[in-house]
Amino acid sequence: QVQLVQSGVEVKNPGASVQVSCKASGYVFTSYDITWVRQAPGQGLEWMGRVNPYNHNTDYAQNLQGRVTMTTDASTRTAYMELRLLTSDDTAVYYCAREPTLDTAPLHYFDYWGQGTLVTVSS
Amino acid sequence: QSVLTQPPSASGSPGQSVTISCTGTSSDVGNYNYVSWYQQHPGQAPKLIIYDVSKRPSGVPARFSGSKSANTASLTVSGLQAEDEADYYCNSYAGSNNVVFGGGTKLTVL
Repeated sequence: QVQLVQSGVEVKNPGASVQVSCKASGYVFTSYDITWVRQAPGQGLEWMGRVNPYNHNTDYAQNLQGRVTMTTDASTRTAYMELRLLTSDDTAVYYCAREPTLDTAPLHYFDYWGQGTLVTVSS
Repeated sequence: QSVLTQPPSASGSPGQSVTISCTGTSSDVGNYNYVSWYQQHPGQAPKLIIYDVSKRPSGVPARFSGSKSANTASLTVSGLQAEDEADYYCNSYAGSNNVVFGGGTKLTVL
């Protein structure tokens, strides 16, 4: 069965960086994009971007350009999201999700989700 | 501020039907048939319930249906059940390989 298992809770100081991992199993890793979505406490969902494990192409939300990097390692079936220059506004639960593709083009929906990783930014 | 507009709350009694709207623009909802809906129970990850406007993934009950007219997409839950009480989020492709979410709707089963 498809599973996405994320790394654990993170507590960071303002200005620091955080890396969240997402280990996939149960499907062909390079046949689907990995999308990252975050949810601030009590707030809605925010799309952050995606990475294609086959060609490593990325798309990032405009408001995060320059601060976020999404990568994958096919040998370990793991996706990574790094966010830099953290502020309190980055405090959120971060989710990875699988996004189906057609000929490597994303299909813009997310059919399996990780359990979420809480990142708290506080001094 | 979310790009797609959803009502903050909706409610219905068991057995009734409820419809949740998701209003965008001609640059997102109105221009693409890539609208999806997600159900999120407290403390859990979102779950896909509708994709491509009206398609249901395997295992999602037929009580959940989706539609679209112009710049507004809708999710209808028929025959409401207690377990349908959750937050619901719409999502749409917005061009240039970007997607946007709605602000979410809290559905209460009375």
